[in-house]
Amino acid sequence: KAGVTQTPRYLIKTRGQQVTLSCSPISGHRSVSWYQQTPGQGLQFLFEYFSETQRNKGNFPGRFSGRQFSNSRSEMNVSTLELGDSALYLCASSPRTQETQYFGPGTRLLVL
Amino acid sequence: KNEVEQSPQNLTAQEGEFITINCSYSVGISALHWLQQHPGGGIVSLFMLSSGKKKHGRLIATINIQEKHSSLHITASHPRDSAVYICAGPFVSKLTFGTGTRLQVTL
Repeated sequence: KAGVTQTPRYLIKTRGQQVTLSCSPISGHRSVSWYQQTPGQGLQFLFEYFSETQRNKGNFPGRFSGRQFSNSRSEMNVSTLELGDSALYLCASSPRTQETQYFGPGTRLLVL
Repeated sequence: KNEVEQSPQNLTAQEGEFITINCSYSVGISALHWLQQHPGGGIVSLFMLSSGKKKHGRLIATINIQEKHSSLHITASHPRDSAVYICAGPFVSKLTFGTGTRLQVTL
């Protein structure tokens, strides 16, 4: 089975722009979670989707949003980018919620 | 205050040494995860455990639910074990991560 894929792998944006990141889970996995990793804050939970429904959301401002499609692929969007949004964004999938998660390689976002 | 605390933050060991990384958490959880992150960012899930002990190759994870404590042991460490090891617990269904333990294994 192919692993979790994320696109793009690297991205450079400027402040005020918006960005959309994509995640394709392992085939058959219906749960997708998103995480942000920064040197200062470490790994932080963004949101979790299961069967196209957002099940949980972390403590991030409304500029961070996401969605999941019927084929379980997920996207996350960050609007009005700030310098502090520079981070590695990781997505992980699992067959169902609260099961072992399989992580993608991440998208490294740099905001200038 | 982080609900998940790890120690030590940094660890250097010589090849062949037995290594222990500790994780303590402040509230009840349904399961605890151990993750490994190599330079470059890729994360691999090593264990998810809710009780007792699990073993995979040279890696052993234990958890004591009453004491809210888990340990990750690496036997016969090797330079390829050099990575950041992170524990995480689901608190109200949201994974909360420890700050990680950076392990460097030298020849």
